[in-house]
Amino acid sequence: NAGVTQTPKFQVLKTGQSMTLQCAQDMNHEYMSWYRQDPGMGLRLIHYSVGAGITDQGEVPNGYNVSRSTTEDFPLRLLSAAPSQTSVYFCASSKDSITYEQYFGPGTRLTVT
Amino acid sequence: AQSVSQHNHHVILSEAASLELGCNYSYGGTVNLFWYVQYPGQHLQLLLKYFSGDPLVKGIKGFEAEFIKSKFSFNLRKPSVQWSDTAEYFCAVWPGSSARQLTFGSGTQLTVLP
Repeated sequence: NAGVTQTPKFQVLKTGQSMTLQCAQDMNHEYMSWYRQDPGMGLRLIHYSVGAGITDQGEVPNGYNVSRSTTEDFPLRLLSAAPSQTSVYFCASSKDSITYEQYFGPGTRLTVT
Repeated sequence: AQSVSQHNHHVILSEAASLELGCNYSYGGTVNLFWYVQYPGQHLQLLLKYFSGDPLVKGIKGFEAEFIKSKFSFNLRKPSVQWSDTAEYFCAVWPGSSARQLTFGSGTQLTVLP
């Protein structure tokens, strides 16, 4: 199993541009999440999904959209990039809501200029 | 809303020193607790977890953590650190029940000097 994969690893955007961060998992996990990691703030939940077709907002959802058309994929869309969205983004998946043990992807480092 | 506090932002130790990293949470009900580790340039990995039972849990690489319900704490310990333990450590809480969000602390950067 590849686990949780994310692309791209690095990205530089100009203010106002849009892009999609890709996340995929091959473990047949129902739960998937997107976090952003900023220095001194730990990980903050952006959006999460409890299964295909079901998504919900986390702690910091503004400026981001998600969709979950399949169990495997959970892309994160930045609608109009802002410098405040410069961060490292992690996708995670977990098997169920009982253990909620999350498996993380390698991350995407995004810089918005 | 629940919160997780990690009061030590940066800890510097020499090899063979003992380690204790603090974690306190604010949720009053049943909780599931986790410690994750992020080695330089790598993604987060689960170090250990507590769901129920023995409040002293053992994880990988010689780490352990003790859940003290009365203190709302889940401190991470290791009797003798190694240079390879240099990493950032995150405590996380899942309140269980209908909650579907894992709340992370701000992290503690551990630097172990050779």
